[in-house]
Amino acid sequence: QLQLQESGPGLLKPSETLSLTCTVSGGSISNTNYYWSWIRQPPGKGLEWLGNIYFRGTTYHNPSLEGRLTVSVDTSRNQFSLKLTSVTAADTAVYYCARQIFYSWNFDYWGQGTLVTLAS
Amino acid sequence: HSALTQPASVSGSPGQSITISCTGTSSDIGAYNYVSWYQQPPDKAPKLILYDITKRPSGVSNRFSGSKSGDTASLTISELQAEDEADYYCASYTTSTTSVFGTGTKVTLL
Repeated sequence: QLQLQESGPGLLKPSETLSLTCTVSGGSISNTNYYWSWIRQPPGKGLEWLGNIYFRGTTYHNPSLEGRLTVSVDTSRNQFSLKLTSVTAADTAVYYCARQIFYSWNFDYWGQGTLVTLAS
Repeated sequence: HSALTQPASVSGSPGQSITISCTGTSSDIGAYNYVSWYQQPPDKAPKLILYDITKRPSGVSNRFSGSKSGDTASLTISELQAEDEADYYCASYTTSTTSVFGTGTKVTLL
């Protein structure tokens, strides 16, 4: 059974860089049939797709993040990561990692999510 | 791509059917048959319940069904049960090689 687990600091200050890692177990991140995605959900609000990566390094991202987002992959560790620079209170959210089907881009497996809060 | 538009809430009595709409544009829902639906219980991660408009993953009840007409997709839940109370989100692939989610719909039982 595939499992995804997010990890990273839960508290940040404005202008810092958010770094999260998703560890994939029960399957290979190098499987050619999938992308690996980041999605977030501000408290009480809806889901927002942030970006994804293919194991060979191809990435796509939400244009609304205006160059702040970097997604990377480490196939040797079966992990992929997110870096979001210059965070503000608007970046407070539960961050999910998910597996995304290559041809249709639907999300079939999700991590449990990790809450990231901006301290004032 | 702006978020796809869903009604904020839909309610129904046990045993009834409800339908949730998801309206996009010709650049997302209207362009492809790659619409998916997710169920999110309170404080839990979303779960895929429909993909490619009408297909159900293994283990998902056949009470969930989907359709699409033009730029609008729909999710129907038949024989509504207490366990169906949750938030529901649609999502679509877009012509800009991105994903976009719907605004979300809260389903409540009367």
